Amino acid sequence: DTAVSQTPKYLVTQMGNDKSIKCEQNLGHDTMYWYKQDSKKFLKIMFSYNNKELIINETVPNRFSPKSPDKAHLNLHINSLELGDSAVYFCASSSGGELFFGEGSRLTVL
Amino acid sequence: QKEVEQDPGPLSVPEGAIVSLNCTYSNSAFQYFMWYRQYSRKGPELLMYTYSSGNKEDGRFTAQVDKSSKYISLFIRDSQPSDSATYLCAMRESNSGYALNFGKGTSLLVTP
Repeated sequence: DTAVSQTPKYLVTQMGNDKSIKCEQNLGHDTMYWYKQDSKKFLKIMFSYNNKELIINETVPNRFSPKSPDKAHLNLHINSLELGDSAVYFCASSSGGELFFGEGSRLTVL
Repeated sequence: QKEVEQDPGPLSVPEGAIVSLNCTYSNSAFQYFMWYRQYSRKGPELLMYTYSSGNKEDGRFTAQVDKSSKYISLFIRDSQPSDSATYLCAMRESNSGYALNFGKGTSLLVTP
């Protein structure tokens, strides 16, 4: 039973398109995150939600919009995709200590 | 984001060797320190979680924190080929919304 699950695992799309990644956690955690991992494996925080409320919003283009319909779900919508958006996007959840990560969604923008 | 520095490697060692992985940091407000292991095409998974300065041991893994020097280490004893992965150090302040600041990760290869 997967604790943090993301869909889709792979996305290949053209520049200018819009895409969404969905995340769900069944751990009962209050806090969820989106991290971006670039080709050099650097993990950078993008957003954090606590009980559906945005608490961290790092310097991320407005084309990225997170949405949390409830505390078990955190989705990421990306408008007007650019080449530089190609990366692995990780969803994670936490109850205040350790972060539990999903398997990642690998986005390739052509 | 250069608050956390970590040598990316790659680091290659023979099976059975002792491995030492290190991170330095500049933010003295960091209170919680973690080591994550990430296999290829997988999400990071927690290995060690420490709060205070000193050593913490778990099986073949020892985490060491020196807050005065802003330096943390992970030691792996009797390394195995299955330890081949990327190791990421991570740390956070106590009141930062729990977001972790990660190092760039060190790629480790343990050869049989």
